[in-house]
Amino acid sequence: ETGVTQTPRHLVMGMTNKKSLKCEQHLGHNAMYWYKQSAKKPLELMFVYNFKEQTENNSVPSRFSPECPNSSHLFLHLHTLQPEDSALYLCASSQDGGRAEAFFGQGTRLTVV
Amino acid sequence: GENVEQHPSTLSVQEGDSAVIKCTYSDSASNYFPWYKQELGKRPQLIIDIRSNVGEKKDQRIAVTLNKTAKHFSLHITETQPEDSAVYFCAARTVNNNNDMRFGAGTRLTVKP
Repeated sequence: ETGVTQTPRHLVMGMTNKKSLKCEQHLGHNAMYWYKQSAKKPLELMFVYNFKEQTENNSVPSRFSPECPNSSHLFLHLHTLQPEDSALYLCASSQDGGRAEAFFGQGTRLTVV
Repeated sequence: GENVEQHPSTLSVQEGDSAVIKCTYSDSASNYFPWYKQELGKRPQLIIDIRSNVGEKKDQRIAVTLNKTAKHFSLHITETQPEDSAVYFCAARTVNNNNDMRFGAGTRLTVKP
C-alpha cells in the first residue's frame, strides 16, 4: 500500500454514460497527477495539479474533466468516452522538496463499450 | 514540454547477466530522474532515483548514472534474477516548478533462468 487509493478498481461504461474516477492520498503531498496507461502509449501524462491548481493539461480531450477540490482528493470525470479511451488510469502524488518520489495508486481499469 | 525517450523497448538477458536501459530527455530544467518498476497487474513502484546534482547513485544491484550535458541517464542492473523481470520506466521531472513528470515508453525486461 503506497498511501494513494483509487476507486473504483474496474469500470465498464457505455459511450453515453457519465462516470467519475476518484483518487485519494493522505501523504501530505502537494502535487497530484492523472496518467493513462495503454499498450500504445504507456504512462501518458494527462493532468497535473499543484496545490489544487491545474498546472498541466497535456492536450487531453474535453470528454475528460479533472477536479481537485483539495490537496488530498483528485477526480477524473468521464463523459461520452470512446472505445479507444479504454485503458488503465493511474493517479499519483508527490511532494516538492526533500523526497520527490511519486507514489502511484493501483489504477482504475476502464473499459468503454 | 519535456520529452523522454527510452531504449530498448524489450530486453532479454540470462540470469546473472547485467541489464542496461537508457533514457534521454529534452528539457534542461529537469532536475529529478526516477526509475520505476511495474510488475504485471501492479502499480509502478520507485526503485531508484537521482537528482541533477549527482552523477551516479547505487543501491545494491541497481545503479543509475546521469549525464546532464548530454541529457541522458541510464539504469544498470547487475547479477539479474528472474524476479527482476518487469517493465521499467524512466522519468524526468522539474521539482519545485510545475511538477510535470514525463515517462519514457518503458522497457520490458525478461530474465531467463
